[in-house]
Amino acid sequence: GDSVTQMEGPVTLSEEACLTINCTYTATGYPSLFWYVQYPGEGLQLLLKATKADDKGSNKGFEATYRKETTSFHLEKGSVQVSDSAVYFCALVTGGGNKLTFGTGTQLKVEL
Amino acid sequence: DTAVSQTPKYLVTQMGNDKSIKCEQNLGHDTMYWYKQDSKKFLKIMFSYNNKELIINETVPNRFSPKSPDKAHLNLHINSLELGDSAVYFCASSQEPVPAYGYTFGSGTRLTVV
Repeated sequence: GDSVTQMEGPVTLSEEACLTINCTYTATGYPSLFWYVQYPGEGLQLLLKATKADDKGSNKGFEATYRKETTSFHLEKGSVQVSDSAVYFCALVTGGGNKLTFGTGTQLKVEL
Repeated sequence: DTAVSQTPKYLVTQMGNDKSIKCEQNLGHDTMYWYKQDSKKFLKIMFSYNNKELIINETVPNRFSPKSPDKAHLNLHINSLELGDSAVYFCASSQEPVPAYGYTFGSGTRLTVV
């Protein structure tokens, strides 16, 4: 079945540091890939997405590139802020399907 | 505001009770979902309805029963609550095709069974 593997957290960074959260996937067919963010006490919000190989999703300074050859969709940001502290989820859905399969989430803590 | 709204936001109840969580979306989406998030933040799909028809029914105890009176509402009823049911329950909705748009989530209902 489909699955998503994320790096374990928590990830603790200083403000303005570079961020990479690794995400790899296993899927039948060609999935669409998503990153969701969950701020403390809130629901999940769509951060960015990519629907085909080599697409780059970007939003709020975050970006991720759909790499079919390595089955990866790593989340990156060049300079994190304290306000980026949240849990980040990688997810996929295969074409024609409705079910989003999530990774286990990676908690990011950004300190001054 | 256009959104997915859940009520209540917090629910504390005793073991053995029956409770319901309500979800409404005004986005015009055809498909709605219930997810359970455990204490380690792991998200697991429970149910999905498309235009009032059940399309996803994962391995969930039959104490959990979803009800969709119309495509804008999806409620979750839980009978004989157990300690292990304590979690955050998220409602979500989606437009077609899901691979292009993903889901829109509600803000969650934190259920605590004591």
